[in-house]
Amino acid sequence: EVQVVESGGGLVQPGGSLRLSCAFSGITFSSYWMSWVRQAPGKGLEWVATIKQDGTENFYVDSVKGRFTISRDNAKKSLYLHMNSLTVEDTAVYYCARDGPPSSNWFDSWGQGTLVTVSS
Amino acid sequence: QSVLTQPPSVSGAPGQRVTISCTGSSSNIGAGYTVNWYQQLPGTAPKLLIYDNTNRPSGVPDRFSGSKSGTSASLAITGLQAEDEADYYCQSYDRRLSGSLFGGGTKLTVL
Repeated sequence: EVQVVESGGGLVQPGGSLRLSCAFSGITFSSYWMSWVRQAPGKGLEWVATIKQDGTENFYVDSVKGRFTISRDNAKKSLYLHMNSLTVEDTAVYYCARDGPPSSNWFDSWGQGTLVTVSS
Repeated sequence: QSVLTQPPSVSGAPGQRVTISCTGSSSNIGAGYTVNWYQQLPGTAPKLLIYDNTNRPSGVPDRFSGSKSGTSASLAITGLQAEDEADYYCQSYDRRLSGSLFGGGTKLTVL
């Protein structure tokens, strides 16, 4: 059974930085693409970023390009999201998610979510 | 613009059948990318409900089914139950974004 534990959320001022972490167990972490998806309060889901199994490729939604960096440590079975130059529009619950099998486009395991609040 | 459009809300009585539509464009659903559906119960993380247009993960009741045609997809729920009350999201890949795209979500109310 896949288990996911997220951490790192909290209150940060506009312009600040934060690093989110996601620890996986029960899977061969290095075999899967991994992603971050966020949900602003009372709003829908928004894909944020995706990273390849070996970390050599990553993709971002336009609104976070140049500010957010997705990374992973396969030895620690952990996924990260480094967030810089945060704005109030980045306030959301951030979920880490495991992508499905290679060539798939779905997310089949999700973390519990961690809340990021950007406010002065 | 890359958008997946869902109705904001649907409702039905227990035992009835409801459908939720998801309309995309030539850069996502119409380009042949498959559609996936998620169920999000209040205060919880999303859960994969349908993948690859029509497939159910293990443990998802067969009351839930998906279909796709052209630039649209649909989720059907038969034999509505109170515990089905949740938000439902469609999702696909978009080649303009080079990433995933979610619909705006549909709130299902069981009357």
